[in-house]
Amino acid sequence: QLQLQESGPGLVKPSETLSLTCTVSGGSISSSNYYWGWIRQPPGKGLEWIGSIYYSGNTYYNSSLKSRVTISVDTSKNQFSLKLSSVTATDTAVYYCAAAFDIWGQGTMVTVSS
Amino acid sequence: DIVMTQTPLSSPVTLGQPASISCRSSQSLVHSDGNTYLSWLQQRPGQPPRLLIYKISNRFSGVPDRFSGSGAGTDFTLKISRVEPEDVGVYYCMQATQFPHGTFGQGTKVEIK
Repeated sequence: QLQLQESGPGLVKPSETLSLTCTVSGGSISSSNYYWGWIRQPPGKGLEWIGSIYYSGNTYYNSSLKSRVTISVDTSKNQFSLKLSSVTATDTAVYYCAAAFDIWGQGTMVTVSS
Repeated sequence: DIVMTQTPLSSPVTLGQPASISCRSSQSLVHSDGNTYLSWLQQRPGQPPRLLIYKISNRFSGVPDRFSGSGAGTDFTLKISRVEPEDVGVYYCMQATQFPHGTFGQGTKVEIK
């Protein structure tokens, strides 16, 4: 059974880079059945797709975040990662990783504050 | 970009009674492969989202049959035949026709009267 788990710092300073990793277990990230994505949810608000990656490394980003986002995959570790640069308070959110929007991680809260 | 619009945004329901949520997309969600990638997600309080329905009407693994999806083109509906206490939460429609891009509706809060 495929499972995903996010990890990374819960607090990031303004203007710095947010970095998160999603570890996939119960299946291979190299599976062609899925693309791997990041979604976020600000406190009390709805869901926003950040971007997705195929195991081949092809990436796709939300146009509103594209200039600040990098998603990468490490097939040897069965992980994929998110980097969001130049963060501000508006980037405070629960960040989820997901397999093709079918299977979701538990989410990790990231607060941007000095 | 495709915009997803849900109605209502809040739905107080009586236990055991049906509930219905509508979702409209700003353009057709029919993919060139003939499929329509419209999904419904449930988010219980304090929990991550969970896939309920994919490709309009297919229940995901483990989803009770009181949940059903219907629709076509730009108009879609999620129905709960008899609301149970564990159904309280926020429901999102989402399109993945432009996969791997995804777009979500605003969410509909289902609560018990």
